[in-house]
Amino acid sequence: DAMVIQNPRYQVTQFGKPVTLSCSQTLNHNVMYWYQQKSSQAPKLLFHYYDKDFNNEADTPDNFQSRRPNTSFCFLDIRSPGLGDTAMYLCATSSDSGGLEEKLFFGSGTQLSVL
Amino acid sequence: RKEVEQDPGPFNVPEGATVAFNCTYSNSASQSFFWYRQDCRKEPKLLMSVYSSGNEDGRFTAQLNRASQYISLLIRDSKLSDSATYLCVVNTGGFKTIFGAGTRLFVKA
Repeated sequence: DAMVIQNPRYQVTQFGKPVTLSCSQTLNHNVMYWYQQKSSQAPKLLFHYYDKDFNNEADTPDNFQSRRPNTSFCFLDIRSPGLGDTAMYLCATSSDSGGLEEKLFFGSGTQLSVL
Repeated sequence: RKEVEQDPGPFNVPEGATVAFNCTYSNSASQSFFWYRQDCRKEPKLLMSVYSSGNEDGRFTAQLNRASQYISLLIRDSKLSDSATYLCVVNTGGFKTIFGAGTRLFVKA
């Protein structure tokens, strides 16, 4: 039973055409994250939500935005995708255990190709 | 310097071999440590947490050395199904979890 669900599994978009990736969770976790993983590289944290509080990483481009309308759903919006945004986008959740043992539960990812 | 560094490999080992991976981290205030496994084009999955006292889960043993800022993973009696990329993961607090780029392992029959 999938606990963190990402849609779509594969997404192709044109250069400059806005795209939205979605993530939902059934774990009722406080924290939701978006990671970007390019081929043969480490997953890179873009931002996270603690409940409704949004936390952006300093080096995340302005082109990337996120929305969390409720506990279960989180969206990644790429306003004007460039060729360099081709990557796997991973959504993850964790429960608030005081910062220790923050195990991440990942969705299966969305592979985005920008043409 | 990267926050979490790993030898990218690949490590090519025969079935039954013992293989060890190392990882170093730069932030001495890091609070928790993990190894994740990632299969090709799949999401990372938690393999095990890493504690200062060392911990073992079946054929897998993880070790943490806070003084040297060093984490290790030992896999004994390698199976074909162990072929994957192993990601060293460090939590620096405040819900900030940093991944290494991973070490690729190929286990051959």
